[in-house]
Amino acid sequence: RKEVEQDPGPFNVPEGATVAFNCTYSNSASQSFFWYRQDCRKEPKLLMSVYSSGNEDGRFTAQLNRASQYISLLIRDSKLSDSATYLCVVNTGRRALTFGSGTRLQVQP
Amino acid sequence: DGGITQSPKYLFRKEGQNVTLSCEQNLNHDAMYWYRQDPGQGLRLIYYSQIVNDFQKGDIAEGYSVSREKKESFPLTVTSAQKNPTAFYLCASSIDLNRPIYEQYFGPGTRLTVT
Repeated sequence: RKEVEQDPGPFNVPEGATVAFNCTYSNSASQSFFWYRQDCRKEPKLLMSVYSSGNEDGRFTAQLNRASQYISLLIRDSKLSDSATYLCVVNTGRRALTFGSGTRLQVQP
Repeated sequence: DGGITQSPKYLFRKEGQNVTLSCEQNLNHDAMYWYRQDPGQGLRLIYYSQIVNDFQKGDIAEGYSVSREKKESFPLTVTSAQKNPTAFYLCASSIDLNRPIYEQYFGPGTRLTVT
């Protein structure tokens, strides 16, 4: 089993739609959780950290479920510019982060 | 402007040659990392370093070497022993590996093609 697993997609949604991604992790001792965004042929960029209480940043909401060991990302009112690959990132107990393979989102006009 | 720089952006080499990828940061971060990304796949950790003159192997260190002589610099050498060196190489840094919560910041990457 992979340490961090994501549905690769692609998720094809129309502009204005709400879309949600889930990610599961295997190490119950994980302490840090993030969502990164990666545009085609570019470096990953931090989108948001994921806290136990959940957090929201504009149209983006991240949730953590420790009991079921998954994190989620909800994007409301999708924009064309949201098209990218979203990487789930977890600290799996060693001194480095572990990246999921990413979920590709394509927002269509 | 603070950030991480990687050079060159594109690099072409013949099989059998060693090549060194540059990574420099002026964020005053203690920890630095090297990842490799293959098409359609996630990032895989090659090496990381917590402090100067110290570094640790990641998941796929075979065929690679690093040095950390200065806090700002963490060059990666892809040796001829690396079986499939063609990939997108990403360097990252973070404030302190000892903090329980830390995010990593990435450089723009180097695309290495070996023929």
